[in-house]
Amino acid sequence: GAGVSQSPSNKVTEKGKDVELRCDPISGHTALYWYRQSLGQGLEFLIYFQGNSAPDKSGLPSDRFSAERTGGSVSTLTIQRTQQEDSAVYLCASSPLGSAVNTIYFGEGSWLTVV
Amino acid sequence: AQSVTQPDIHITVSEGASLELRCNYSYGATPYLFWYVQSPGQGLQLLLKYFSGDTLVQGIKGFEAEFKRSQSSFNLRKPSVHWSDAAEYFCAVVLKAAGNKLTFGGGTRVLVKP
Repeated sequence: GAGVSQSPSNKVTEKGKDVELRCDPISGHTALYWYRQSLGQGLEFLIYFQGNSAPDKSGLPSDRFSAERTGGSVSTLTIQRTQQEDSAVYLCASSPLGSAVNTIYFGEGSWLTVV
Repeated sequence: AQSVTQPDIHITVSEGASLELRCNYSYGATPYLFWYVQSPGQGLQLLLKYFSGDTLVQGIKGFEAEFKRSQSSFNLRKPSVHWSDAAEYFCAVVLKAAGNKLTFGGGTRVLVKP
């Protein structure tokens, strides 16, 4: 499809395990974002990639969280040693350029449940 | 503290009635302003945005929003609500001096009564 694609759509994992969440942005979009949506916390910014610039990691909640973007396209968000408080929907978004004047398009999210 | 506030967590409105969702921001400078809608099981969709100029902004699905600098508000309105408007609505801002990160309000869930 033409939209932002995320996988898996649902993931249940045991506490302490590592998980990887994948995001395929819209083709040609240079900016990519990760957000987390959880009950009681709303929508939180996690990390932002823009072209070849160093990513803005200011929203990552701990060093268990990391993300990379290979070839300026696909991105993977990795959560190590998952905790129950990591349960949330992880949303990926992309935009044509890293500028607020460009619309940011969101995927449908990856629902993570840590048991 | 800098923030985006949506005072109403839930709003229930009858189909055909008007709807207004409130959004206030607390920043030193006027940010870029956005409204997004999230329907059940779907991703966030942009309804409208305000950068500058005319303070009344028209969006998709019959929504509009008005920027009021004196009140630091950007309220969303729709004259006549349809059952399909039942969703969660998020106000968001981008600080011009802080890159391109969206900061979201807590959201308002809209229920539509038949």
